[in-house]
Amino acid sequence: DSGVTQTPKHLITATGQRVTLRCSPRSGDLSVYWYQQSLDQGLQFLIQYYNGEERAKGNILERFSAQQFPDLHSELNLSSLELGDSALYFCASSDSSGKGDRSYEQYFGPGTRLTVT
Amino acid sequence: AQSVTQLDSQVPVFEEAPVELRCNYSSSVSVYLFWYVQYPNQGLQLLLKYLSGSTLVESINGFEAEFNKSQTSFHLRKPSVHISDTAEYFCAVSEGDYKLSFGAGTTVTVRA
Repeated sequence: DSGVTQTPKHLITATGQRVTLRCSPRSGDLSVYWYQQSLDQGLQFLIQYYNGEERAKGNILERFSAQQFPDLHSELNLSSLELGDSALYFCASSDSSGKGDRSYEQYFGPGTRLTVT
Repeated sequence: AQSVTQLDSQVPVFEEAPVELRCNYSSSVSVYLFWYVQYPNQGLQLLLKYLSGSTLVESINGFEAEFNKSQTSFHLRKPSVHISDTAEYFCAVSEGDYKLSFGAGTTVTVRA
């Protein structure tokens, strides 16, 4: 158990809909990352938040957005869903303090499997 | 942009045989390197990492990886695999900004 929790585990929805994925980081970790894993694109970094602020952006579509709340949990919002958005979405967390080697270790949650029909 | 190449997509291996998974990256700056393992229907688990210092790093379950700066490689090895090592293995690189770029993954299937 990595200590990172994600809900829901599975999500099935229709094209054009909007969904919200939720992530709670490990206790003490200030950074949350979102990754998308699909068969054709592999594992891709979407976005990072650090202590409530957006820190880095990857290949995140404009239809997707995220935020990190004061209690450090994060939500990834996916809107106007398309069939191609079907994937496994992972959340990871890390210390990111820059103090010590372990601050660079990312711990992954079990993922949310999104199926768009 | 960072690029990570895992040269083998599938590696079948017999139990107790050695295995090597190859990983090459492209970067002109200092990097941090990681290997993650993903068991079926689970999230990714950190196997080992290289940040600095000794170029040979080891995990607690017998895997080791060697950082080779001149060849921009970070190959993963295990001298004797078990059935339980069947999983997908991902090489990942960070340029120190924390976000990870992953390779396409290598599926290791261990047979008795």
